[in-house]
Amino acid sequence: LAKTTQPISMDSYEGQEVNITCSHNNIATNDYITWYQQFPSQGPRFIIQGYKTKVTNEVASLFIPADRKSSTLSLPRVSLSDTAVYYCLVGDLRDTNAGKSTFGDGTTLTVKP
Amino acid sequence: DADVTQTPRNRITKTGKRIMLECSQTKGHDRMYWYRQDPGLGLRLIYYSFDVKDINKGEISDGYSVSRQAQAKFSLSLESAIPNQTALYFCATSATGTVASDTQYFGPGTRLTVL
Repeated sequence: LAKTTQPISMDSYEGQEVNITCSHNNIATNDYITWYQQFPSQGPRFIIQGYKTKVTNEVASLFIPADRKSSTLSLPRVSLSDTAVYYCLVGDLRDTNAGKSTFGDGTTLTVKP
Repeated sequence: DADVTQTPRNRITKTGKRIMLECSQTKGHDRMYWYRQDPGLGLRLIYYSFDVKDINKGEISDGYSVSRQAQAKFSLSLESAIPNQTALYFCATSATGTVASDTQYFGPGTRLTVL
């Protein structure tokens, strides 16, 4: 069971790049790394997913080193609307391994003007 | 219309009462999940289902039961509610795909208070 560790909170200012790191020392070979964003009283929303190296989409980048024991979510040029809780999820949702995915306690990002 | 809906959105009940939370999805996904979230904490998996005939316990299934009535419907029951089951409950769905870890789509949540 790959437990994850993230910083509890981070502050940033509008326009800055924000990097949030997640540690997952016990990641298994079949595990993927997925990041979700959650606004208050809403369900989490998928941001990005990766297995190794670097993944980029229209909203974020995900950096995963070769040993895969950590990963870094990078948000370019944040705005006030990026203020939310960010969760790192490590797991394998295929049949026999489902239920072993773990949401950490999340990182509360506060973007200031 | 939302792809994943939950009813009710808010519920206040008393200790010992039976309560059911319902989840419906229009995404056509086979997999459905129920999570619980306590203030300031992450989500914990209660139960999950990969198809209509499949039910599996998650991390914290004690005190809960589920029913998968159809591909699109997955309900969570508290047979005898207790105050420490006060929490925000989320339903989620995912498709059975080729990637190892399928993206989950979450409903808006049900806020349950047990007095």
